[in-house]
This record gives sequence, C-alpha cells and structure tokens, in this order.
Amino acid sequence: AQRVTQPEKLLSVFKGAPVELKCNYSYSGSPELFWYVQYSRQRLQLLLRHISRESIKGFTADLNKGETSFHLKKPFAQEEDSAMYYCALTYSSNTGKLIFGQGTTLQVKP
Amino acid sequence: KAGVTQTPRYLIKTRGQQVTLSCSPISGHRSVSWYQQTPGQGLQFLFEYFSETQRNKGNFPGRFSGRQFSNSRSEMNVSTLELGDSALYLCASSREGSSGNTIYFGEGSWLTVV
Repeated sequence: AQRVTQPEKLLSVFKGAPVELKCNYSYSGSPELFWYVQYSRQRLQLLLRHISRESIKGFTADLNKGETSFHLKKPFAQEEDSAMYYCALTYSSNTGKLIFGQGTTLQVKP
Repeated sequence: KAGVTQTPRYLIKTRGQQVTLSCSPISGHRSVSWYQQTPGQGLQFLFEYFSETQRNKGNFPGRFSGRQFSNSRSEMNVSTLELGDSALYLCASSREGSSGNTIYFGEGSWLTVV
C-alpha cells in the first residue's frame, strides 16, 4: 500500500538556521510527490511538486527514488516559515487523490 | 478567481444525526475530493468525484457518502454520526484531477459531534 511518513511531528529551529523536513514514501511505481503548507488560520496550499523542480519561498525538494525520500530543505529559515508542512503523493496520472503524511510543524524562533 | 468554498464552516450535531456538507469548486474544475482531518489520523482521503461519477474511494464506512452535480458542486453526507466523526472536513478541487493539475483546498467545515 502507498504510504507517506514524516518522522518529525515538530521541528524547531532558530531564524537563519538551515531547515530539513523529512519525508519518506512507500510505493513501488512512480509517484508524484508534493509538499503542502498550512499557515496559521489559512487553508492548505501547494508549496511545490517534484516534477516542477522549482524553488518556492526558498524551499527546494529533491526526489530520491533510491531512498524513497522527498525531503524539503531551506538554507536559511525565516520566522514567516513557521507553519504545518505536509508531504503527499499521488500514484496515478488519473486521480485527484492525495496520500498525506502526518505533517510536521515547523517552528522558527527569533 | 474565487477559491474552493465550503459551507457550513462550523456545525455541531448530536450522535445519531446525519449531516450534509457542501463544496463549490473553483470555476472550471471538474474533480472534487473530500478529506477528513483529525489530530490523531491526520489527513485522510474520503472520495473523489469527476464529472458526477465517483472515481476513487478511501477506507471509510458506508455512512460516508457523497455526490457531485452537473455544475461540479459536491456534497458529502455522514449518516448516524458518531463521536469519532468530529473532524475538519476539507474539500479540494482541480481542473481534471490528473497529475500536473494543482489541487486547491477549501477552508474546511468543522464538525463537532456531541
């Protein structure tokens, strides 16, 4: 079965420190991986997807098929990055179904 | 353009009652999905509708059902409510529900079962 694992419930860093939010997945095929973010009192929104290979708000994520990982990274955390981050995958080209990890709360301290 | 709109935003129901939640997708979007979000289980997929047909279904009991109308608006219904159904119910829409399409989420409907 497809599964997404985010091992950390809470990640607390100081402003300016590097950030890495871990995500591992289990799926034998070729999934599409995403990071979603939910800021306080805002709706869940797409941060980035692996096929785009883009950097959004300074965040990047590389799909490592060998390690089945899709970690989210940012070299210098900002206070406004504090939010809940969800890793998600979809396993078919013909579905709107997302399988989410449990989420990691990122807390950036001043 | 207007985002995904869900109504009602908050509601309280009694055990055994039934509830209907409504979702208006972004204009032009034909895929609508529903998710249940709880502190213990996180975000869990309920079902997806595309062009009025259920295309995918999650592992929820038959008390959870949904439908989609010809204008892509969707409703989900939970019958015989249990305390454990208390959750945030999120609706999401995308243009075709296929890879490459961005999925947009609504703000959710907070359901409390007492």
